[in-house]
Amino acid sequence: EAGVVQSPRYKIIEKKQPVAFWCNPISGHNTLYWYRQNLGQGPELLIRYENEEAVDDSQLPKDRFSAERLKGVDSTLKIQPAELGDSAVYLCASSSPPGTSGSSSYEQYFGPGTRLTVT
Amino acid sequence: DQQVKQNSPSLSVQEGRISILNCDYTNSMFDYFLWYKKYPAEGPTFLISISSIKDKNEDGRFTVFLNKSAKHLSLHIVPSQPGDSAVYFCAACSYGQNFVFGPGTRLSVLP
Repeated sequence: EAGVVQSPRYKIIEKKQPVAFWCNPISGHNTLYWYRQNLGQGPELLIRYENEEAVDDSQLPKDRFSAERLKGVDSTLKIQPAELGDSAVYLCASSSPPGTSGSSSYEQYFGPGTRLTVT
Repeated sequence: DQQVKQNSPSLSVQEGRISILNCDYTNSMFDYFLWYKKYPAEGPTFLISISSIKDKNEDGRFTVFLNKSAKHLSLHIVPSQPGDSAVYFCAACSYGQNFVFGPGTRLSVLP
């Protein structure tokens, strides 16, 4: 079974430029998460989707960040314009409710992340 | 205010000995806890979980202990192997809510 796929793996941009990250979750997982992980810290949730609906975007800086999950499968996270403080690893994760798709608990499956460097 | 704390940024253990990683939380509503392991340039991978109705869960070399009164959980790895060297994250949630992750502990298992 393929895992969570993210691209690109690395991105270097100048401040004020736009950037977009793409995520393809595990097949059958209806919940998708975007996290940001700063150096030396744990992942922090930006947005959570249930199918195509964003059910929690309270931590998403909406002045510059946007996300979409068309058709309830793939998702894109965008930053426009990027700031120096946006440098971090952006992680996508997916999950299915316990008892479905072979899952026995609430674990999330993470992709490898996109390391963003804003210069 | 950090709701999930891992106060040891790093830990070194000799191969074959026990590794004990600690995690403390402040939110008494948390009722489900997970441990994740992360290698460099990879995403976190699920290791083991425990719900608040239990005080221990075991999976092979990995055991998680939960002390609800102390709001403390620990991950025991016995015996430790060099391949266990990674960053370990503790995560907690209350039912229907999002997980909150700790800052991680870097474990180094020395041969």
